[in-house]
Amino acid sequence: EVQLVESGGGLVQPGGSLRLSCAASGFTFSSYAMTWVRQAPGKGLVWVSAISGRGGSTYYADSVKGRFTISRDNSKNTLYLQMNSLRAEDTAVYYCAKADGDYGDPQFDYWGQGTLVTVSS
Amino acid sequence: QSLLTQPPSVSGAPGRRVTISCTGSTSNIGSGYDVHWYQQLPGTAPKLLIYDNNIRPSGVPDRFSGSKSGTSASLAITGLQAEDEADYYCQSYDNSLSGSGVFGGGTKLTVL
Repeated sequence: EVQLVESGGGLVQPGGSLRLSCAASGFTFSSYAMTWVRQAPGKGLVWVSAISGRGGSTYYADSVKGRFTISRDNSKNTLYLQMNSLRAEDTAVYYCAKADGDYGDPQFDYWGQGTLVTVSS
Repeated sequence: QSLLTQPPSVSGAPGRRVTISCTGSTSNIGSGYDVHWYQQLPGTAPKLLIYDNNIRPSGVPDRFSGSKSGTSASLAITGLQAEDEADYYCQSYDNSLSGSGVFGGGTKLTVL
């Protein structure tokens, strides 16, 4: 059974940093791209970042480029999102999701339960 | 403002049929990228509902169907049930964003 479990969310001051983790199990982690999607309170889903199976290719939404870094440790079956220079508008539930493939335009077939990040003074 | 446009809300009586549109452009849906649909029940994580424009994952009822034409896609739900009340999102990719992913703004389905 595929499981994705996010952790690392919490309250952080503007300008601060936070690292999210997503522990994966139930599939061959290194064979699949992974993505982060966020959802601000009462708002829609927003794609944030993605990384290829081996970690060689990374992609970012313009709104987080230069501030967020996606990475993965395939030996630990874990996905990360390092978030720096956080702003109030980064407040959201952050979901990690598994892509059903490692290239092209894959769908996200499994999602974690999400972790809440609140940026506030 | 999302590159994929969905109606904010749709509604229908139990047993009826509703459709949700997802309008893109030549840089996303019109470029040949597939469209995927997700259902998000209140307080839960999104769930894949339709992938590659019109394919249902195992376990998704055949009341749900998808289609794509040109720069748009649609999700149809027939035989509406109370448990279908949820938010629905389309998702694709966009050339103008270096192939990055993009979601529609979401549509709230109300079963009357």
